[in-house]
Amino acid sequence: NAGVTQTPKFQVLKTGQSMTLQCAQDMNHEYMSWYRQDPGMGLRLIHYSVGAGITDQGEVPNGYNVSRSTTEDFPLRLLSAAPSQTSVYFCASSYPQPGRNEAFFGQGTRLTVV
Amino acid sequence: GNSVTQMEGPVTLSEEAFLTINCTYTATGYPSLFWYVQYPGEGLQLLLKATKADDKGSNKGFEATYRKETTSFHLEKGSVQVSDSAVYFCALSEGGYNKLIFGAGTRLAVHP
Repeated sequence: NAGVTQTPKFQVLKTGQSMTLQCAQDMNHEYMSWYRQDPGMGLRLIHYSVGAGITDQGEVPNGYNVSRSTTEDFPLRLLSAAPSQTSVYFCASSYPQPGRNEAFFGQGTRLTVV
Repeated sequence: GNSVTQMEGPVTLSEEAFLTINCTYTATGYPSLFWYVQYPGEGLQLLLKATKADDKGSNKGFEATYRKETTSFHLEKGSVQVSDSAVYFCALSEGGYNKLIFGAGTRLAVHP
């Protein structure tokens, strides 16, 4: 089972460039979300989706866009990269039911903005 | 708002030592609580979870009990191994959309 797959694993961008981080899951999970991980701050929620066509903002949404056209895919778009967006990005998916609601994470994308 | 506080690291132990990593939370309602582990260069993996007060989650020798009266979910292991060296995150699930709120993480280093 592939689980949650993120691409690319590493990326270097110049300030002002745009790019899309890809996330795909093959577990038919309704919930998907994007987090960023920064030293000493744990993981913070950027955007999340409760199903195809439905997205909402998390704690740190500025500078990022998402869409969810299918159950499987949840890409994260950086509109105009800034050095403050240098981070490790994780995509996660889960079922909505309380007894099965643990999140499954991808391997992460390490992004550096210079 | 809801939050999670866990002890700062790094925690350095010798093999076979007892481990405790403290985690306390602030939440309205009755969140689910989780411990995730991150090995070097990898994503997060669920270690254990508890969904209601007094539940004990356990996995791979690790345990944590959901204590509502002290709003705590401390992680314990009786005898750590070198292979347990990783970063451990305490988290709670907020609201009906399964949004996770994480603590800052605690790095554990176990030496032979």
